[in-house]
Amino acid sequence: AQSVAQPEDQVNVAEGNPLTVKCTYSVSGNPYLFWYVQYPNRGLQFLLKYITGDNLVKGSYGFEAEFNKSQTSFHLKKPSALVSDSALYFCAGYNNAGNMLTFGGGTRLMVKP
Amino acid sequence: SQTIHQWPATLVQPVGSPLSLECTVEGTSNPNLYWYRQAAGRGLQLLFYSVGIGQISSEVPQNLSASRPQDRQFILSSKKLLLSDSGFYLCAWRGTDTQYFGPGTRLTVL
Repeated sequence: AQSVAQPEDQVNVAEGNPLTVKCTYSVSGNPYLFWYVQYPNRGLQFLLKYITGDNLVKGSYGFEAEFNKSQTSFHLKKPSALVSDSALYFCAGYNNAGNMLTFGGGTRLMVKP
Repeated sequence: SQTIHQWPATLVQPVGSPLSLECTVEGTSNPNLYWYRQAAGRGLQLLFYSVGIGQISSEVPQNLSASRPQDRQFILSSKKLLLSDSGFYLCAWRGTDTQYFGPGTRLTVL
């Protein structure tokens, strides 16, 4: 069975500092990995994905994620956090034969001015 | 471009009343469609998914049901709501490899 874990319920960072939101996965075969962001009372917005190719994936709003096969991780990063980045972030994944996403439990990012 | 709509945006219903939530997708054909529930603003629970008209798979046994009467329409229903049905309901469609979500429906059962 595949699983996706986000070990931190909440991440606090000061505005302007770099941020990292952690994600690890257990997916058989070739993993397809995704990050989504959710603002209050809104649907999930797609940020970026890793399917194949370069391990560093760039996405929307200045976010990027690094796929690390040996550590089975797909951490979300941003060089300089904004207050407006405060939201709930979800990591998700499936294998190339899958039809359904497995989601992590979500990490709340709080960026303080 | 593709867009996904959900309505209503918010709904307050008494216990024991029926439910119908609608999801429609524009700009694509024969998409895989999904219903999720999010409780307490946190984790997502997959409720149903559909790979085509009339084809529904249920992931969690409960008093909810889903139907897909048309290619781009996905409906979530209940005959009698429970308090535990309160939550944020999200519809999603799958593109080539990515799921895209609708704006959600906030359901409160009193």
